[in-house]
Amino acid sequence: EVVLTQSPGTLSLSPGERATLFCRASQSLSSSSLAWYQQKHGQAPRLLIYGASSRATGIPDRFSGSGSGTDFTLTITRLEPEDFAVYYCQQYGSSPPRYTFGQGTKLDIK
Amino acid sequence: EVQLVESGGGLVQPGGSLRLACVASGFTVSSNYMTWVRQAPGKGLEWVSVIYAGGSAFYADSVKGRFTISRDRSKNTLYLQMNNLRPEDTALYYCARGPRGPTPVFFDYWGQGTLVTVSS
Repeated sequence: EVVLTQSPGTLSLSPGERATLFCRASQSLSSSSLAWYQQKHGQAPRLLIYGASSRATGIPDRFSGSGSGTDFTLTITRLEPEDFAVYYCQQYGSSPPRYTFGQGTKLDIK
Repeated sequence: EVQLVESGGGLVQPGGSLRLACVASGFTVSSNYMTWVRQAPGKGLEWVSVIYAGGSAFYADSVKGRFTISRDRSKNTLYLQMNNLRPEDTALYYCARGPRGPTPVFFDYWGQGTLVTVSS
């Protein structure tokens, strides 16, 4: 079973700064199986990135995803006040199908 | 517009049962893969179950044998029957949709969740 480890646990930055969030898998993944979600306090998760690097519909271009194998990155350039939230990576595994989430990275306003 | 609205949560004693419902609009639940994901208070996201368009269903080990996912095409509704509930099942339960396509990898629309509390 694949384990996803996100780092850092908490990231404190100021609006306008650049955020880099990491997601490491315990074994190599297909890039197509990696997604990122944003969850604001009291809200449902929102899909940001799928296929490791494709932005979901309506997601601003300051959000970007990259990576391959075991190491994946979510980058947010020029943080906006509404970007401060918890971010989760998620992977899909087959045989049998299962979905795994990382433990989350909390992006805090500094 | 795609919308998902969950209901059916509540307070239940250990060993009890609940059935959650997720009413969908803007698409047909039987044409997409659908999932339940839960979030314990103050914790992260945990996948619970998925049902594919073809009807195949799969479960997390933590709920296998106790939970059953199903759907009703006529009501365009997804269900989660939860039996033999345990305190560790206490969580906000979200239903979510996967986009139509060959590989059921991610979830593009989410409901707002329904809270299940298992306690005596």
